[in-house]
Amino acid sequence: GAGVSQSPSNKVTEKGKDVELRCDPISGHTALYWYRQSLGQGLEFLIYFQGNSAPDKSGLPSDRFSAERTGGSVSTLTIQRTQQEDSAVYLCASSLNAGQIQETQYFGPGTRLLVL
Amino acid sequence: AQSVTQPDIHITVSEGASLELRCNYSYGATPYLFWYVQSPGQGLQLLLKYFSGDTLVQGIKGFEAEFKRSQSSFNLRKPSVHWSDAAEYFCAVGAGSGGGADGLTFGKGTHLIIQP
Repeated sequence: GAGVSQSPSNKVTEKGKDVELRCDPISGHTALYWYRQSLGQGLEFLIYFQGNSAPDKSGLPSDRFSAERTGGSVSTLTIQRTQQEDSAVYLCASSLNAGQIQETQYFGPGTRLLVL
Repeated sequence: AQSVTQPDIHITVSEGASLELRCNYSYGATPYLFWYVQSPGQGLQLLLKYFSGDTLVQGIKGFEAEFKRSQSSFNLRKPSVHWSDAAEYFCAVGAGSGGGADGLTFGKGTHLIIQP
């Protein structure tokens, strides 16, 4: 079946603009994760959704970052007033059962964000 | 908080030779440990994981890893590498108590180069 999909695959934006990144998890997966991969920081966990709710948003880098998930499926990560340090690959992953860290997380191909 | 160290940034191995990639973790309780591989232009793919039971874990593509609690290590091994194994390898730890809310903590990765 279809894996995790993300769109756009690449995004170039100007500093100060808002961007929205989309993640379509595997159908039926209740857990959804966002990570950021950058040269300086490696792979960082950003936020986790259990169904539609995110119990802890403290992993988001700043208050310019927000995320939501609707209908227990698609999730969007929004970055407001983008800065150059936001340039990175944003990865989404999903797993079948929420609340089970031992479950395999299936990763999407990522969105490569470049802020000029 | 948990952490993961992958001491080797780059490793070069001849095709057909054996491979061992090192991973050390820091976590107070029993960790959930994972190895992921990221090929150029590809998403992260799970190779294997450990959360209980036999400390020698078999994975896909002929990889195995051994959990050693006394050394806080989870090293990845393969008896004979193939040119297609050239990729970035990430070790990760998950906090079982968080039930997924903390996501996975990744190491910085080891870049594997295969020479003919």
